[in-house]
Amino acid sequence: NAGVTQTPKFQVLKTGQSMTLQCAQDMNHNSMYWYRQDPGMGLRLIYYSASEGTTDKGEVPNGYNVSRLNKREFSLRLESAAPSQTSVYFCASIPGGAGANVLTFGAGSRLTVL
Amino acid sequence: QKEVEQDPGPLSVPEGAIVSLNCTYSNSAFQYFMWYRQYSRKGPELLMYTYSSGNKEDGRFTAQVDKSSKYISLFIRDSQPSDSATYLCAIRTDSWGKLQFGAGTQVVVTP
Repeated sequence: NAGVTQTPKFQVLKTGQSMTLQCAQDMNHNSMYWYRQDPGMGLRLIYYSASEGTTDKGEVPNGYNVSRLNKREFSLRLESAAPSQTSVYFCASIPGGAGANVLTFGAGSRLTVL
Repeated sequence: QKEVEQDPGPLSVPEGAIVSLNCTYSNSAFQYFMWYRQYSRKGPELLMYTYSSGNKEDGRFTAQVDKSSKYISLFIRDSQPSDSATYLCAIRTDSWGKLQFGAGTQVVVTP
């Protein structure tokens, strides 16, 4: 099915370890986003990529890096994981233009940092 | 103060009741208003969006925006157990499609 695919779905890390969350969309969308979701906090934007070749910080970028590998793929890297990064991470994409309000989300990646 | 405020609930209603959800926002420049539904351990999915004051209906769902009060609402008529989910309001903040989300309200519809 068309949509946004995230891997892995679950991950447990130790403090200081690094890892990369992968995201791919097959809808030919221009813009892609990484959000984190924590209880009582809603979804907060970490980084976004308005178009291929560009990335920008969102509300909570500290401790993360991103790469827009091509139009389909947008990865999120934790260089040195901390317990405060325990969260559910969602990748999303948007077509741009008139459809710019229809954000399509992946199923989420649940990360625990011990 | 968060830009979008939403009561986290939980809100428990009997099947068939009307569910009323609301959010307030602080920036009067916001133009587009959305409601997302999120089932447990799933990603959010768009329910409705609107960009003007007034009501918009889609089946059992009605979205309402009052820009003068900076208040948005979602009503679910004839609620069903399958409506049990977390409902998030979201407001588009710029031309790049970035959204500011409320914390989400958990709704439980009991048979």
